[in-house]
Amino acid sequence: QQPVQSPQAVILREGEDAVINCSSSKALYSVHWYRQKHGEAPVFLMILLKGGEQKGHEKISASFNEKKQQSSLYLTASQLSYSGTYFCGTEYRDDKIIFGKGTRLHILP
Amino acid sequence: DGGITQSPKYLFRKEGQNVTLSCEQNLNHDAMYWYRQDPGQGLRLIYYSQIVNDFQKGDIAEGYSVSREKKESFPLTVTSAQKNPTAFYLCASSWTGELFFGEGSRLTVL
Repeated sequence: QQPVQSPQAVILREGEDAVINCSSSKALYSVHWYRQKHGEAPVFLMILLKGGEQKGHEKISASFNEKKQQSSLYLTASQLSYSGTYFCGTEYRDDKIIFGKGTRLHILP
Repeated sequence: DGGITQSPKYLFRKEGQNVTLSCEQNLNHDAMYWYRQDPGQGLRLIYYSQIVNDFQKGDIAEGYSVSREKKESFPLTVTSAQKNPTAFYLCASSWTGELFFGEGSRLTVL
C-alpha cells in the first residue's frame, strides 16, 4: 500500500526546477506533501483532495490526478531552503495516512 | 503554545525490556498517529486513533501497543516482542487532515 515516489534523489542548482511524483495502487481520498530537514520533524506543505485540483503557492505547487491515482509536487526556481526530504502521504477511506519512502532534494548554490 | 510534545527525546534500553514513549497534544485534535522512521524507509504507520478509547493497527503494529484514554494523550509501548526496535519514532495529531508532528523520540536498543 505504500505509495511509490520518484525520483529517489535529486540534485539541483539554485534556481532550477524540480518535479517529484507520487503514485498509488489504491484509490486515493487525498494526498499530503511534507518536507523534512535532517534531524527535524516533517513539516506540512499542502493537502490535495479528490477533484484533480492544483494547489500551492507561487513556487511550490502540486497536482492530483485521481483517475491515475497520482500526485506531483512542483518546485519552481528552487532556493537553498528547499533542501530536505520530501514525503507524499496518501490517505484512503479508512483514514490511514501512508507515506512513501521519500525523495531527497539537495540544492547547490 | 499549542503543539505536540514527545518524551523522552533519546532513550536507551536493554533487549527484553518494554519501554513507553509519551505523546501529548494540546491542539484539541481528535486524531493521533504513531510512525516509525528508519533510513530509506520513509515513515511507516504503527497505530492510529480517530477518537478516545478507539485505535487501529497500522502497517507495522506487531510488537507495539497503544492506549487512548484521554484526547490529549497517545502513549506508545515498544514491547520485547518487537524484533528490531531501534528507530526514530514520530507522533502526530490531526483535525482537518494536516498532520502536526512532534519532535520525535530516538530509541536505541543495546
